[in-house]
Amino acid sequence: AQSVTQLGSHVSVSEGALVLLRCNYSSSVPPYLFWYVQYPNQGLQLLLKYTTGATLVKGINGFEAEFKKSETSFHLTKPSAHMSDAAEYFCAVSDAGNTPLVFGKGTRLSVIA
Amino acid sequence: DAGVIQSPRHEVTEMGQEVTLRCKPISGHNSLFWYRQTMMRGLELLIYFNNNVPIDDSGMPEDRFSAKMPNASFSTLKIQPSEPRDSAVYFCAARGVRELFFGEGSRLTVL
Repeated sequence: AQSVTQLGSHVSVSEGALVLLRCNYSSSVPPYLFWYVQYPNQGLQLLLKYTTGATLVKGINGFEAEFKKSETSFHLTKPSAHMSDAAEYFCAVSDAGNTPLVFGKGTRLSVIA
Repeated sequence: DAGVIQSPRHEVTEMGQEVTLRCKPISGHNSLFWYRQTMMRGLELLIYFNNNVPIDDSGMPEDRFSAKMPNASFSTLKIQPSEPRDSAVYFCAARGVRELFFGEGSRLTVL
């Protein structure tokens, strides 16, 4: 069975500082990995995804994530936080089949002015 | 492309009442998923369909919950009778190539 662990339910950074949200996964097959963002009272929006190929994936709003197989990690980063980045972020994993995504518990990002 | 459309956005009802949540998926996306989100349990998969056929409903909490997908453009999630512990945000999602596209959710409050 696949699973996702997001370290830290709440991360707080200053505006302009580096954002690092951690995600570790467990999968017995090559994983497909995703990061989603959820703003208050909205649905989840895809930030980026890794399927195959380049392990450094760039997404929307300046975010990127790197797939590290040896560490079973897919951490999300952004060089400089903006106030508008404050939201809940979810990491998810699936396999190459048609199976559902399994989501982590989420990390709430706060950005301090 | 209008995306996944859910209705109602908000529903407040009393314990024991029937609740029906509706979802219109993205045209051409053949898989549809129902998730429930709560503070305590996070995002839970309730059921998913491929080509209108239910594939896995093991996440449906009780017999009070049922879901249907009579055609490719419509799905419902029904709770009968509803209970206060069913209060949550219910999301419908359609699968793209690999990722899911989510609706805005239906926030259910059962008093």
